[in-house]
Amino acid sequence: EAQVTQNPRYLITVTGKKLTVTCSQNMNHEYMSWYRQDPGLGLRQIYYSMNVEVTDKGDVPEGYKVSRKEKRNFPLILESPSPNQTSLYFCASSHTPLTRRSISYEQYFGPGTRLTVT
Amino acid sequence: KQEVTQIPAALSVPEGENLVLNCSFTDSAIYNLQWFRQDPGKGLTSLLLIQSSQREQTSGRLNASLDKSSGRSTLYIAASQPGDSATYLCAGGDKAAGNKLTFGGGTRVLVKP
Repeated sequence: EAQVTQNPRYLITVTGKKLTVTCSQNMNHEYMSWYRQDPGLGLRQIYYSMNVEVTDKGDVPEGYKVSRKEKRNFPLILESPSPNQTSLYFCASSHTPLTRRSISYEQYFGPGTRLTVT
Repeated sequence: KQEVTQIPAALSVPEGENLVLNCSFTDSAIYNLQWFRQDPGKGLTSLLLIQSSQREQTSGRLNASLDKSSGRSTLYIAASQPGDSATYLCAGGDKAAGNKLTFGGGTRVLVKP
């Protein structure tokens, strides 16, 4: 089954304690991305990756890091979490239009990770 | 910078009525437009994707149109059912940024039995 998986699904942590949220996709997608969803602010992109070893900032990258060492995985790292990073996080993947292939660029989302930082 | 707007923010209809959900965007160079459904506290389920070269897409009771010149997309859901109650999000894709999606704020739909 084609899917994007995220772990953990729920996480409560304290300020300053480093954490990693994992994301994995099994569709051989080049493009992967992280979004956060907050009431009244909607979904905003944090970081994205066009392919292995290629990452770039989205709209709200402060306080986050990412890496793309393998095509299927795109972990989100919070080096020193703060309460304003309490949010619902989504990982997404798709083929990228830059590949110039006639394939679907539909973006698939993971189930979400609800993070609470106290 | 692309901006996506969905009005109204909430909508309530009786069961059986057709639903019409609106999405507007500011940049006509949009690469694609995707409609999602989100249930409370859950993830996003993709409903339809319209490429910029297309005018509409259909899947079962769902039909989505795209008019780049007017900056609008519309999602039609025929013969609504209580199970259609959810938040519907539209998002515009940006080719230059890989496939970055800019989301609207969503329309929360309630279908009353």
